[in-house]
Amino acid sequence: GQSLEQPSEVTAVEGAIVQINCTYQTSGFYGLSWYQQHDGGAPTFLSYNALDGLEETGRFSSFLSRSDSYGYLLLQELQMKDSASYFCAVGRYTGRRALTFGSGTRLQVQP
Amino acid sequence: DADVTQTPRNRITKTGKRIMLECSQTKGHDRMYWYRQDPGLGLRLIYYSFDVKDINKGEISDGYSVSRQAQAKFSLSLESAIPNQTALYFCATSGYSNNQPQHFGDGTRLSIL
Repeated sequence: GQSLEQPSEVTAVEGAIVQINCTYQTSGFYGLSWYQQHDGGAPTFLSYNALDGLEETGRFSSFLSRSDSYGYLLLQELQMKDSASYFCAVGRYTGRRALTFGSGTRLQVQP
Repeated sequence: DADVTQTPRNRITKTGKRIMLECSQTKGHDRMYWYRQDPGLGLRLIYYSFDVKDINKGEISDGYSVSRQAQAKFSLSLESAIPNQTALYFCATSGYSNNQPQHFGDGTRLSIL
């Protein structure tokens, strides 16, 4: 079967580092993406990993281990504006390539 | 102007009505998607299209239909709306490569009474 799991909520303080984990079980896997969504807003793309390792984009980094079916999003130097929901999404090939989104992790950054 | 535009932004309607949600894009992307979002369930794929002649069902296509009128336009229809189709609907587009991000519209909030 297929599954995609991430924590429902995470709380951290301004200036800290937080890691949001994502584990998946799926066939036809080709990559892991992360999206951010502020309340009332549209999802926006953060990062994509197709190969094992770490991808860094400013304060955000994303990691993938294909052998462990695991990835994470790392947010450094947290700011209040980082309070949002974060979704991991697995890319699956089933004759066509499409994304399957996780249920999302709501990050609350406190002063 | 937004790259991905959804209309209407909000809609309240009654059970049994036919509803069309429209999406247009100026990004020149071939790939377009329709998702619904329910609280606590993330985004679920309804239908997607890789070009004008290519339509594919997603994980929750029952009760929905789509039309790809042109490269830039992809509409979602609810033939006979029911209350459990009340949700936030997003249209998205993407380029051809696997690493191309999906670009989302601002969403349509649909309530079915």
